[in-house]
Amino acid sequence: DADVTQTPRNRITKTGKRIMLECSQTKGHDRMYWYRQDPGLGLRLIYYSFDVKDINKGEISDGYSVSRQAQAKFSLSLESAIPNQTALYFCATSEFGTSGEQFFGPGTRLTVL
Amino acid sequence: GQSLEQPSEVTAVEGAIVQINCTYQTSGFYGLSWYQQHDGGAPTFLSYNALDGLEETGRFSSFLSRSDSYGYLLLQELQMKDSASYFCAVRRAAGNKLTFGGGTRVLVKP
Repeated sequence: DADVTQTPRNRITKTGKRIMLECSQTKGHDRMYWYRQDPGLGLRLIYYSFDVKDINKGEISDGYSVSRQAQAKFSLSLESAIPNQTALYFCATSEFGTSGEQFFGPGTRLTVL
Repeated sequence: GQSLEQPSEVTAVEGAIVQINCTYQTSGFYGLSWYQQHDGGAPTFLSYNALDGLEETGRFSSFLSRSDSYGYLLLQELQMKDSASYFCAVRRAAGNKLTFGGGTRVLVKP
């Protein structure tokens, strides 16, 4: 079984709809991250959480919110989706440490019409 | 602010050597990571340099010069399966938060 899972894997929605993307992990890591990926722009950090009570904004948090329901679960919400939020979204986890290594989920491809 | 620069695309033949350069400007620097991403897949970790010098992991090596704000990933004995995008990422704080470059697409030809 995959260590980091994301649901759904693909989603098409309409402008103005509320969308939730979910991430679960079995790696036992405290740290979790949400990124979006657009062609040619690499990965940009939306939000990150270093434990259940610690939530921080990343580079591009406007229009997004998150919830850390448990150590293993970190959800990303788009309160009112807009077309320029069409992107590939990745969840990632890491240990407390200094390795520079993050473990990524398979991604969610979101299309906002 | 912070920025990372890497070439957008590199093409090489099987068996060749490719070097992907990454220059960075950041406020705070703890180390440089490299990730590989195949089309349709998730990024996977390749290497991390916190200190100056060369780190070797099989056919892949990564180098860092902190004084030059520069690093590179060296891919040796290229194989078709190495066709992918490669991202450098700076670790800017004591946690594992990363800032990614735009990625270099490597195309390996027979």
